[in-house]
Order: sequence, then C-alpha cells, then structure tokens
Amino acid sequence: DIQMTQSPSSLSASVGDSVTISCRASQDISNYLAWYQVKPGGVPALLIYRASTLQTGVSSRFSGSGSGTDFTLTINNLQPEDVGTYYCQKYNSAPLTFGGGTRVDMK
Amino acid sequence: QVQLLESGPGVVKPSQTLSLTCAISGDFVSSNSASWDWIRQSPSRGLEWLGRTYYKSKWYKEYAVSVQGRITINPDTSKNQVSLHLNSVSPEDTAVYFCAKGYKWDAFSSIYFVDVWGRGTTVIVSS
Repeated sequence: DIQMTQSPSSLSASVGDSVTISCRASQDISNYLAWYQVKPGGVPALLIYRASTLQTGVSSRFSGSGSGTDFTLTINNLQPEDVGTYYCQKYNSAPLTFGGGTRVDMK
Repeated sequence: QVQLLESGPGVVKPSQTLSLTCAISGDFVSSNSASWDWIRQSPSRGLEWLGRTYYKSKWYKEYAVSVQGRITINPDTSKNQVSLHLNSVSPEDTAVYFCAKGYKWDAFSSIYFVDVWGRGTTVIVSS
C-alpha cells in the first residue's frame, strides 16, 4: 500500500505569516491528492482536491501544488480561524490513505 | 445539499461487534457518481479511512488493510442508508466514526474524493 508522510507534525506561526505543509507519497499518485482541515472539536472539511483545485467556498488564502509524489499546502496570511489539524489524503485507488496530520497553532 | 447522519451505540464491549448506520439525504446510495465511505478519527491515529461502497453497474466494496477481515460495509437501497459493522473490537477501535460521501470527478473512472462529511459519532470500546 502507498504510504503518505506529512511534515512537519506541528507548527506555530503568527497572524499574517505564510505556512507550508508538505505531503509525500511513497509511490506516484499523479495529482490524486486532497487536503482537509479539522478545526478543534469540528468535522473535517475539504480544502483542495486534484492537488491544486480549491473547493468551492474555501478561502483563496489556501493553495495546493505538486504532482507525482511531492505535494504542498500553503496558507497565506494566516488567521486565527486557521488553527487546526491539516491532513493530506491520496485517492487514486483504495485504500485512501491519510497522512499523519499537521497541527497548526498560533504563536 | 447532501446530508449524512450517523447513528449507533456509543459504547461497545471488547470482542463484540460495532454497528453504525448512516442515513443519507440529498442523494441516493445507488448513485452512479458517489461512493459512501467510513472514516474514523482518534487522538493516537489521526484520520483513518476504513472502507467504502459504491455502485457502478454492480456494488463494489473496498476496505483498509488494517481492518480487513473484521469490517463489512453494506448499502441499503430501501432505506437509503449505508451501514458499518466492525467485529472483534478492542479499545484501539475507540474513535469518532464519520460517514462520508465520495465524489467522482470523471464519470468513466472509479476515482472518488471525499467531499461531504457527516457530523460523526463517538464510539467507546470498554467493558
């Protein structure tokens, strides 16, 4: 099975900062990658699919890039409401494996 | 607007079977463009995809290796719902369980990404 590795596992940043989260697949998954946000006490929400397509209604401060095995989620102009845990997930075929998650906190 | 509502017992004893139901509104379980997934979340394991079912001329079921042999996901077209059964549970199965809908971007493929989530239901495995 394909493994998904996220880094860092946690980060702390200030309001207005840009943060980058990395996700690496153990095999080529083309662009079949999604990113999800889980706010404290909340339900996961889709941010990005096909590696770089923003889900309807999601802030343009979020962006995704990458293809093959290396992917990136960038949050520009970090806001307090962005606090939470972010997960990548590959979906080219079952099993739909998640990365281990990246916790984002405010300094 | 698709809505998913999970239901089931909040506590299950070790070695017994965990059974949950997901009621679907706004779509059909037999839709040709959707998959119906079960995903769980725990502090120690983060998000973990458990499996899914979808209809594409016939029913397909796919499961995670970690629960293969213990898990069954069944569609119920008469009630428009999907169920999860996980047997021989242990405390490691304690988690919030989510029902989710997968969306098929390409009508000719079997590639779905999860775009809608239920609110989740907490299951504790304890004697």
